[in-house]
Amino acid sequence: GEDVEQSLFLSVREGDSSVINCTYTDSSSTYLYWYKQEPGAGLQLLTYIFSNMDMKQDQRLTVLLNKKDKHLSLRIADTQTGDSAIYFCAFSQGNTPLVFGKGTRLSVIA
Amino acid sequence: DTEVTQTPKHLVMGMTNKKSLKCEQHMGHRAMYWYKQKAKKPPELMFVYSYEKLSINESVPSRFSPECPNSSLLNLHLHALQPEDSALYLCASTSPGARNEQFFGPGTRLTVL
Repeated sequence: GEDVEQSLFLSVREGDSSVINCTYTDSSSTYLYWYKQEPGAGLQLLTYIFSNMDMKQDQRLTVLLNKKDKHLSLRIADTQTGDSAIYFCAFSQGNTPLVFGKGTRLSVIA
Repeated sequence: DTEVTQTPKHLVMGMTNKKSLKCEQHMGHRAMYWYKQKAKKPPELMFVYSYEKLSINESVPSRFSPECPNSSLLNLHLHALQPEDSALYLCASTSPGARNEQFFGPGTRLTVL
């Protein structure tokens, strides 16, 4: 099964870029997702990438996938205080349930 | 309608009570999920319904009983819960297709006294 690692905490200054990293073990994962969870709320799908892609950009978000190193990252440009939340990477083979990382708590300092 | 709704938002119950959590989506999604999330942890999968049939039960205790009355509704019936069952219960749905994106509801915060 998939084993996913994420660093637990990240602190950045407002206006800087944030990079949240995720490593995984199962190379058969086809779909890779990033979810955001604000306090007391459900999970919000931010973006996704297919395993046959290396990069995807969506406004302030950039997802990078290094399949050789089994490393997925999410870069948030011009980080704002509203970006403070827990970010989960998640993986799926398409018709299988999601496997989540442990989550990275992003704190943005004004 | 592009959201998953859950009711109630908060629930406090005693160990002898019977209560139900409800989840609804009108996106035509044919797979629906229940997750349990403890504080500062990722969601843990409990049940998966596919085309209104239970397809995955992650060895969840029988005091949790899921039900899928139709393609838009998913219930979780609770009976004789324990204090350690206190958590955020999340419902999600997904459309069969290329991306398998799961859309989550806001959750029900359950406290068992």
